[in-house]
Amino acid sequence: GESVGLHLPTLSVQEGDNSIINCAYSNSASDYFIWYKQESGKGPQFIIDIRSNMDKRQGQRVTVLLNKTVKHLSLQIAATQPGDSAVYFCAENQYSGGGADGLTFGKGTHLIIQP
Amino acid sequence: DAGVTQSPTHLIKTRGQHVTLRCSPISGHKSVSWYQQVLGQGPQFIFQYYEKEERGRGNFPDRFSARQFPNYSSELNVNALLLGDSALYLCASSPGQGAYEQYFGPGTRLTVT
Repeated sequence: GESVGLHLPTLSVQEGDNSIINCAYSNSASDYFIWYKQESGKGPQFIIDIRSNMDKRQGQRVTVLLNKTVKHLSLQIAATQPGDSAVYFCAENQYSGGGADGLTFGKGTHLIIQP
Repeated sequence: DAGVTQSPTHLIKTRGQHVTLRCSPISGHKSVSWYQQVLGQGPQFIFQYYEKEERGRGNFPDRFSARQFPNYSSELNVNALLLGDSALYLCASSPGQGAYEQYFGPGTRLTVT
């Protein structure tokens, strides 16, 4: 079964507010996590990544938090803008030690920005 | 800098036919991965190629194959197309082996009728 999943399929926030998108994973062997943004008809756009030896990483208006104890990942978007409307995916790399493994994606959360 | 490019953008094929999709990675990237994204779901890993060799494979049938060329571009081939192969096929490039720092192209939308 899927080892990466998202708690909410749709998240609606007011423009200017902060958004928090959550993700649960079940494989404690995962060593790397990425957040992607996908707009309709486009490929996933890299937002931010984090390795398992870190708890927090910040980018421009975005912060990723990793809680390995409860196997939880979150993406925080500050001062949400209309252009942030998209589907957001978390993905994990399950390192097996035997070579290259692909990313495992969850189903995604649709972020809707209310004016 | 140019990002990942894929061709064609859209493709319509009939059941039983064969299709070839193409991908050019970001300049300097040596790894190409292929993913299938069915409508409403997250991408599913198909293959990874690094330095022209297959380095990883997802749970897809042998009808799916790929190769990587000396210039690091890649082709994905699907034989004996089924209706269920209709999807967005995504190519991702990364600097090295593994699933780290993967950057996706715009995808090829394949419709099988």
